[in-house]
Amino acid sequence: SSELTQDPGVSVALGQTVRITCQGDSLRTYSASWYQQKPGQAPVLVIYGKNNRPSGIPDRFSGSASGNTASLTITRAQAEDEADYYCNSRDSSGNHLVFGGGTKLTVL
Amino acid sequence: QVQLQESGPGLVKPSETLSLTCTVSGYAISSDYFWDWIRQPPGKGLEWVGSIHHSGSTYYNPSLKSRVTVSVDTSRNQFSLNLDSVTAADTAVYYCARRRQQWLGSWVYYFDDWGQGALLTVSA
Repeated sequence: SSELTQDPGVSVALGQTVRITCQGDSLRTYSASWYQQKPGQAPVLVIYGKNNRPSGIPDRFSGSASGNTASLTITRAQAEDEADYYCNSRDSSGNHLVFGGGTKLTVL
Repeated sequence: QVQLQESGPGLVKPSETLSLTCTVSGYAISSDYFWDWIRQPPGKGLEWVGSIHHSGSTYYNPSLKSRVTVSVDTSRNQFSLNLDSVTAADTAVYYCARRRQQWLGSWVYYFDDWGQGALLTVSA
């Protein structure tokens, strides 16, 4: 089991807002990064740190953090946002990296 | 722009050693950053395998540490993964990626460039 916990599946209506969360003790010390993965493709970085977007990532993707929880928010969800989303950070020892189990986002 | 490309045999027999190479173009891996391996079993999530820093220091997933080695060949701008004594549980798509670490009020670690992935199947 992962030291970063994500809900397995979340759904959102087209054009609405959805929040995907990632919980873990290490998030009190280290920030998370977020990745979008579509079927058959490599993951793509969408958010790093509390709320930093790489170039080319739409501004409808945003991040936040509080306590032991990091969140990825997608506003005005589009059909192309349907994908698996993974968080990543250090483990509770701080010595190694770990991914959350992933959240499958369905856009209705 | 940095590009990463994995290469490997595709099929490995149980108990043998899995070897993969990541060829990096557009950036000298000896200059900076961490260079990592991440795997994804079919239908499952991502698992960090291990990494090598540009200085040569290595870091491994504790669950794999006794079997994994990451090395670098700066003359070819490549880094490699060796995984010993493989079983069917090691069947996965293996990705190589560049990792940055940055202080943004707290430390954040992120993979900003990935290879396309290479499927390794363990089967007799």
